[in-house]
Amino acid sequence: DIQMTQSPSTLSASVGDRISITCRASQSISRWLAWYQQKPGKAPKLLIYKASTLESGVPSRFSGSGSGTEFNLTIGSLQPDDFATYYCQHYNGFSPYTFGQGTKLDIK
Amino acid sequence: QLQLQESGPGLVKPSETLSLACSVSGGSISNNNYYWDWIRQSPGRGLEWIGSIYFSGRTYYNPALKSRVTISVDTSQNQFSLNLSSVTAADTAVYYCARRDGFKNIPFNCWGQGTLVTVSS
Repeated sequence: DIQMTQSPSTLSASVGDRISITCRASQSISRWLAWYQQKPGKAPKLLIYKASTLESGVPSRFSGSGSGTEFNLTIGSLQPDDFATYYCQHYNGFSPYTFGQGTKLDIK
Repeated sequence: QLQLQESGPGLVKPSETLSLACSVSGGSISNNNYYWDWIRQSPGRGLEWIGSIYFSGRTYYNPALKSRVTISVDTSQNQFSLNLSSVTAADTAVYYCARRDGFKNIPFNCWGQGTLVTVSS
């Protein structure tokens, strides 16, 4: 199975900050990478797929980049609603889908 | 607007079979663009993909769970189901059903609210 590793595990930031989260795959997944946001007690919400395509309705302050084995999620200017846990996920069709362990973004 | 809703027992005894259903509303489970998936989440294992089914009945399972998992679809009821046999405490998790778009290759863009299943005697 392809292993997905996120860093950092926890990130403290302030409203208005620009932050980035990194996701590394144990082998190349081309651009088959998605990012999700999850708030306590809720299901994950798809933010970005194909590494950089914004899901409909997601604010443009969210962006994704990368290919192969290294990917980034960037939030351009943090808003109060953005404090949550973020997960990456690969969806290479030839391997079981796996998720990263999550990055908790909290208020500094 | 598509909505997914999980249902089933919240408590299952060890060695028994966990059975959940996912009802789909606001759209047809027979839409040939979509696959219907089960995913679970626990503090110890994080988010774990369990498996997937197409409306035709074709299934795809996580090899780590394949020997214990059966996913089925009932197009007349517009729902799909999960059976996980021989459960242990390690199967305690929140179970989600979700949809992915196989035509546009978009991953899980619609989720149920999730249902907590506890394995305990």
